[in-house]
Amino acid sequence: AQSVTQLGSHVSVSEGALVLLRCNYSSSVPPYLFWYVQYPNQGLQLLLKYTTGATLVKGINGFEAEFKKSETSFHLTKPSAHMSDAAEYFCAVSELSANFGNEKLTFGTGTRLTIIP
Amino acid sequence: DAGVTQSPTHLIKTRGQHVTLRCSPISGHKSVSWYQQVLGQGPQFIFQYYEKEERGRGNFPDRFSARQFPNYSSELNVNALLLGDSALYLCASSRSPSRGADQPQHFGDGTRLSIL
Repeated sequence: AQSVTQLGSHVSVSEGALVLLRCNYSSSVPPYLFWYVQYPNQGLQLLLKYTTGATLVKGINGFEAEFKKSETSFHLTKPSAHMSDAAEYFCAVSELSANFGNEKLTFGTGTRLTIIP
Repeated sequence: DAGVTQSPTHLIKTRGQHVTLRCSPISGHKSVSWYQQVLGQGPQFIFQYYEKEERGRGNFPDRFSARQFPNYSSELNVNALLLGDSALYLCASSRSPSRGADQPQHFGDGTRLSIL
């Protein structure tokens, strides 16, 4: 079974500083990887995804992530944090269900990002 | 286009009761998945439906059931509610459940279920 580990349940950065949220995955097949953001009392919004091709993936709101197969990592970064980035961030891996080859998402436990003014 | 819509947004039940949660997918999406998100945790996969058939089931007891209707909307039913069922229940839709479709799942804002 595939799995995702997010290092650091809470991360605090100053406004304007670099944001780095860590994600490591375990997968026996080439993974599809995702980052989602969740604001309070809301559902999940897709930030970016990696399927195949270029390993540096750019997403919305200035975020990007790099797929590193050798390190089994998919860390999320943003050069300059903004107050509006404060939220919960989830890394996810696409997993094939046992039947029909269908896709389901397996999520990490999340990282709460706090921005310090 | 409207996104994934879920109803109700909040619900309070007592132990032993039954609950039905509803989800309408994005227009043109035929696959619906349900996830449970307990406070402080990531979402956990419950069910996936496609063309009214169950295509995947997570590690949840038989008290949890679901169905999909001809218009691709879906219901999640939970019987004999326990305190531990308190969570945010998320619905996600996609055009198809196939991994080869190279698409993400789009999530609704969820139904927050509280069990007293």
